[in-house]
Amino acid sequence: DIQVTQSPSTLSASVGDRVTITCRASQSLRGWLAWYQQKPGKAPNLLIYEASRLHTGVPSRFSGSGSGTEFTLTISSLQPDDFATYYCQPYSSESSCSFGQGTKLEIK
Amino acid sequence: EVQLLESGGDLLQPGGSLRLSCAASGFPFTTYAMSWVRQAPGKGLEWVSTISGRGDITFYADSVRGRFTISRDNSKNTLYLQMNSLRAEDTALYHCAKERVVQSIADAFDVWGQGTLVTVSS
Repeated sequence: DIQVTQSPSTLSASVGDRVTITCRASQSLRGWLAWYQQKPGKAPNLLIYEASRLHTGVPSRFSGSGSGTEFTLTISSLQPDDFATYYCQPYSSESSCSFGQGTKLEIK
Repeated sequence: EVQLLESGGDLLQPGGSLRLSCAASGFPFTTYAMSWVRQAPGKGLEWVSTISGRGDITFYADSVRGRFTISRDNSKNTLYLQMNSLRAEDTALYHCAKERVVQSIADAFDVWGQGTLVTVSS
């Protein structure tokens, strides 16, 4: 099974900052990776699919990049609504869709 | 509006069984693969199982294979998760989720339900 490692596990930042979260896979995903945002007590929301494609309705300050085994989620200018937990998810194999461990984005 | 509504969560003892349901609306249910994803209290997301649109292909996480069975009734637009031999570590909020792409069985999840809570404790 493909394993993914997210880093950092916690990130402290301020409104207006540019932040980057990394997801590394144990084998090539080609471009089959998604990013989700989850707020406390809520279901996750899809942000990015196919590594870099913005899901409908997601603000353009979110972007994704990468291919193969290393991927990044970038928020260009943090807004108050962006403080949440973020997960990556590989989906190159239908037999396993394990999520990354999550990155909690906190207000500094 | 596309909606997923889970039900069936409960408090039960180790070794027990439970069936979760997920009622779907607002999209052509038959044409999309569906999945269950769980989240233990204070922990991250864990994929549990996926089923194809026609229900003829299924996949399971190693942690539940042989104990859980995913199924669907396309005439009722409903997804199920039969959970047997439950363990304390199965305690979690169980979400159903819809795959983004029609007829795909390996894609991102673009719609999620709010979840139903399963607690396994003696």
